[in-house]
Amino acid sequence: DQQVKQNSPSLSVQEGRISILNCDYTNSMFDYFLWYKKYPAEGPTFLISISSIKDKNEDGRFTVFLNKSAKHLSLHIVPSQPGDSAVYFCAASAPLDSGYALNFGKGTSLLVTP
Amino acid sequence: EPEVTQTPSHQVTQMGQEVILRCVPISNHLYFYWYRQILGQKVEFLVSFYNNEISEKSEIFDDQFSVERPDGSNFTLKIRSTKLEDSAMYFCASSEGPIQPQHFGDGTRLSIL
Repeated sequence: DQQVKQNSPSLSVQEGRISILNCDYTNSMFDYFLWYKKYPAEGPTFLISISSIKDKNEDGRFTVFLNKSAKHLSLHIVPSQPGDSAVYFCAASAPLDSGYALNFGKGTSLLVTP
Repeated sequence: EPEVTQTPSHQVTQMGQEVILRCVPISNHLYFYWYRQILGQKVEFLVSFYNNEISEKSEIFDDQFSVERPDGSNFTLKIRSTKLEDSAMYFCASSEGPIQPQHFGDGTRLSIL
């Protein structure tokens, strides 16, 4: 069952522009959300997180937005750099419900072109 | 920066054999996890571990699987009798607390022949 969905398998953006990666979820018990970046042959690297009590969290070039009513979150990368080219995973957990297990989306492959 | 380390990076095993995957979590972390990713599929949760016991396990984590923290630094995943469908990338992760980011190792690629 896909509780976390990333409907865009790939995204191509020009260097310097904004990259927007989207994620939808179905489980209303989810209250903690994370974005990870993954290069080939490496594990997922934590980027940024947000809890359900907030609607925005910012860290440098990365901002995550959470819309609880729509069960939607997005990751904005501004400005995009070629080194940002990787697969980005959205993940969610319901700590009181599931022992803190992360539910992952299938990922979006971001390509930032010079 | 502290990191989660996993060994071996690649393990090839005959079907039916036992395999142990090893992980050294970040030293001040208290919560430990195993995930797997079958080729072409999403990362899936296997088990979480806290205070020397399993907190939660998924349907994948059946009686063939076990976890152990044999000393103060290692966290292991054992598969007793491997099957072809156990072939996957296995990731270990750790976190300081329950609602804290989980940090992942680079994984062990398990190939069952």
